[in-house]
Amino acid sequence: SQKIEQNSEALNIQEGKTATLTCNYTNYSPAYLQWYRQDPGRGPVFLLLIRENEKEKRKERLKVTFDTTLKQSLFHITASQPADSATYLCALEKGGGADGLTFGKGTHLIIQP
Amino acid sequence: DAGVIQSPRHEVTEMGQEVTLRCKPISGHNSLFWYRQTMMRGLELLIYFNNNVPIDDSGMPEDRFSAKMPNASFSTLKIQPSEPRDSAVYFCASSKKQGSTDTQYFGPGTRLTVL
Repeated sequence: SQKIEQNSEALNIQEGKTATLTCNYTNYSPAYLQWYRQDPGRGPVFLLLIRENEKEKRKERLKVTFDTTLKQSLFHITASQPADSATYLCALEKGGGADGLTFGKGTHLIIQP
Repeated sequence: DAGVIQSPRHEVTEMGQEVTLRCKPISGHNSLFWYRQTMMRGLELLIYFNNNVPIDDSGMPEDRFSAKMPNASFSTLKIQPSEPRDSAVYFCASSKKQGSTDTQYFGPGTRLTVL
């Protein structure tokens, strides 16, 4: 099964700067990768999906890259705002021919004004 | 749309008691997923259904856990008997079509505390 590593320590970024979060995975390379945002006391909310044949994907101030050689995805938030403070989860297909997602434990991002 | 609805939002019970968590997926969604989230293990997939049929229950931790989906608009996750180590937040999610490339929409979760 897939194993996902995200930086478990909180990431503190000053407002206006670019925040970069890392998702590393082991074992096989997935066909796609998803990023979710989770606020305290709430369920995860889907942000972006990137496929293995896509190097980069953008949505407003968000950018995701996918490097299947490094087995890594980077998630960028440009012009960060305090409202971007949340936990960000990386998710991959569970594998073994099964549907369902395997999630990383998430990185807690804090944008300081 | 109201989104995925879960009940109860909070549940406190004593060890040995039966616990039933409920989920109403988004109307028109064909896949439903149950997840459990703890600080130690993160978000784990327990079981998922497609068109009301359980497809993969390999994440269900023990026989004490069972899930049903009697129709397209309702699912339950039951723990009997409950144990303190079952304390976690349980999320239900749904997606429009089979295959986890599709966006999953999560409910607000049920926070379960087993004393």
